[in-house]
Amino acid sequence: GENVEQHPSTLSVQEGDSAVIKCTYSDSASNYFPWYKQELGKRPQLIIDIRSNVGEKKDQRIAVTLNKTAKHFSLHITETQPEDSAVYFCAASPSSQGGSEKLVFGKGTKLTVNP
Amino acid sequence: NAGVTQTPKFRVLKTGQSMTLLCAQDMNHEYMYWYRQDPGMGLRLIHYSVGEGTTAKGEVPDGYNVSRLKKQNFLLGLESAAPSQTSVYFCASSSDGQGNSPLHFGNGTRLTVT
Repeated sequence: GENVEQHPSTLSVQEGDSAVIKCTYSDSASNYFPWYKQELGKRPQLIIDIRSNVGEKKDQRIAVTLNKTAKHFSLHITETQPEDSAVYFCAASPSSQGGSEKLVFGKGTKLTVNP
Repeated sequence: NAGVTQTPKFRVLKTGQSMTLLCAQDMNHEYMYWYRQDPGMGLRLIHYSVGEGTTAKGEVPDGYNVSRLKKQNFLLGLESAAPSQTSVYFCASSSDGQGNSPLHFGNGTRLTVT
């Protein structure tokens, strides 16, 4: 089955700096890669996702890149702000082979943005 | 729309006691899921349902049972609670069976088993 590794487990940056979180996956059939953000004490929420036919996707200050050959994908946050502080989860799923029950999550990265 | 609603928000059980967590969604979603979240472990799928009247096992199903008698509700039961089941439980739903449908999570239930 799929295995998703996420690094680093904790990340501390100064406000305004960039943050990068990396994930690797094992199943070459995976073709859908969402990122969820979980603020302290709250529910995880989808912030961006990418499909295997796209190498990069941007949404304002966040972007995700995908390298299918190397089986890794990354979340990039530019101009970080204190409200970006949260736990971020990556996930991978072979969407063509079933539903979201096949989604496998990484263990999360706790991002702290220091004012 | 309230989205996905979980009750209760907090619960403390003694070892061996039983309880049921309720999840309700008002988005007419077919798929529903129960996850547990433990420190450093991410989100792990316990059970899921692909429609009313169906249930299936996820990654960590032992010690839990589920039921989906109505499309909008998904219940998670613990028949005999153990300290290893101390965790935060999240219910989620998605619109269809495609793996790229976003998951909509509830606010979670923090369960402590002593």
